[in-house]
Amino acid sequence: DIQMTQSPSSLSASVGDRVTITCRASQSISSYLNWYQQKPGKAPKLLIYAASSLQSGVPSRFSGSGSGTDFTLTISSLQPEDFATYYCQQSYSTPFAFGPGTKVDIK
Amino acid sequence: QVQLQESGPGLVKPSETLSLTCTVSGGSISSYYWSWIRQPAGKGLEWIGRIYTSGSTNYNPSLKSRVTMSVDTSKNQFSLKLSSVTAADTAVYYCAREGGGSMIDYWGQGTLVTVSS
Repeated sequence: DIQMTQSPSSLSASVGDRVTITCRASQSISSYLNWYQQKPGKAPKLLIYAASSLQSGVPSRFSGSGSGTDFTLTISSLQPEDFATYYCQQSYSTPFAFGPGTKVDIK
Repeated sequence: QVQLQESGPGLVKPSETLSLTCTVSGGSISSYYWSWIRQPAGKGLEWIGRIYTSGSTNYNPSLKSRVTMSVDTSKNQFSLKLSSVTAADTAVYYCAREGGGSMIDYWGQGTLVTVSS
């Protein structure tokens, strides 16, 4: 099975900051990497799929990059509504494992 | 707009079988993979498995011996059964749709299942 790791596990940032979250797969997953945002008490929401494709309706301040084993989610200018937990997920081979999550909170 | 709604008992006794159904509205259930994902309180997401509308399944090996998924296309529903549950199976269970690139593009709101006597 493919294992996913994320760093950092949490971070504190201010509105307007540029935020970068890293996700690493235990083996190459090509570009089969997705990013989700989850707010407390809510279902996750798809932000980025196929490593760098922005899901319809998601603000352009979110971007994704990477391929192989190393991936990045970037929020170019953090907004108040972006404080949440972010998960990566590989969809290269089942089981489609999620990373452990990165919690972004207010500094 | 596709919507998913989980239904089933919120409380299950240890050693019994957890049964949940997901009803899909706003679109056809056909020609997609449908998934179950769970999340214990305060923890991360765990992929349980998926089923295609043909009935073909993929399960997480960590749960495979206890999981059964089924689909009823006539009712636009799919289901999860998890047998021999313990307190470790207490979680919010989400049903979800897998989009064209195997990403999860639609989620149910989630339902809390507690395993307790």
